[in-house]
Amino acid sequence: NAGVTQTPKFQVLKTGQSMTLQCAQDMNHNSMYWYRQDPGMGLRLIYYSASEGTTDKGEVPNGYNVSRLNKREFSLRLESAAPSQTSVYFCASRADYQPQHFGDGTRLSIL
Amino acid sequence: DAKTTQPPSMDCAEGRAANLPCNHSTISGNEYVYWYRQIHSQGPQYIIHGLKNNETNEMASLIITEDRKSSTLILPHATLRDTAVYYCIKGGNTPLVFGKGTRLSVIA
Repeated sequence: NAGVTQTPKFQVLKTGQSMTLQCAQDMNHNSMYWYRQDPGMGLRLIYYSASEGTTDKGEVPNGYNVSRLNKREFSLRLESAAPSQTSVYFCASRADYQPQHFGDGTRLSIL
Repeated sequence: DAKTTQPPSMDCAEGRAANLPCNHSTISGNEYVYWYRQIHSQGPQYIIHGLKNNETNEMASLIITEDRKSSTLILPHATLRDTAVYYCIKGGNTPLVFGKGTRLSVIA
């Protein structure tokens, strides 16, 4: 049972490049989330999806787009990467009123 | 919506119980108290959660006051591997909001 799987684990981009962070869960959870964590800070919510076919903005959505491809997969896209988006990105999923389960994170550096 | 309040840091001697407090005075009736920890920059690890009753699992115990305005996470026999940032989060079926947590240092 893999839980929440994030790919890639590490990525270095140049300013202006685009990329998509992938997240997949195998627990049949309805809700999925994307957070970012900057050094010394707590996690901040970027976007979330309460069910397949729906997405909503979180605290820090600017510069990102998301796609809930199906119940298993929730991707995060940076269309034009900026140095301020250098961070560790975590994906999570949960069943209703149950704890969120997190992936191991994607460490993204933008030069 | 106020987040929870936790001390920024705590120390605990190895082998002793670690008691981590959390204030959540604005908690609603249908909101749970969740505890997570994060070791280095790994993904947050779920520890325990509860609504109004005390809870225990293989990792920890959670004591919630009768008025539900505060709680305590208890690690009964702390080890060096328990050194981490511990997050106390109140939430219902909406996304969990993380504060800065308590940095617990377990000392040999």
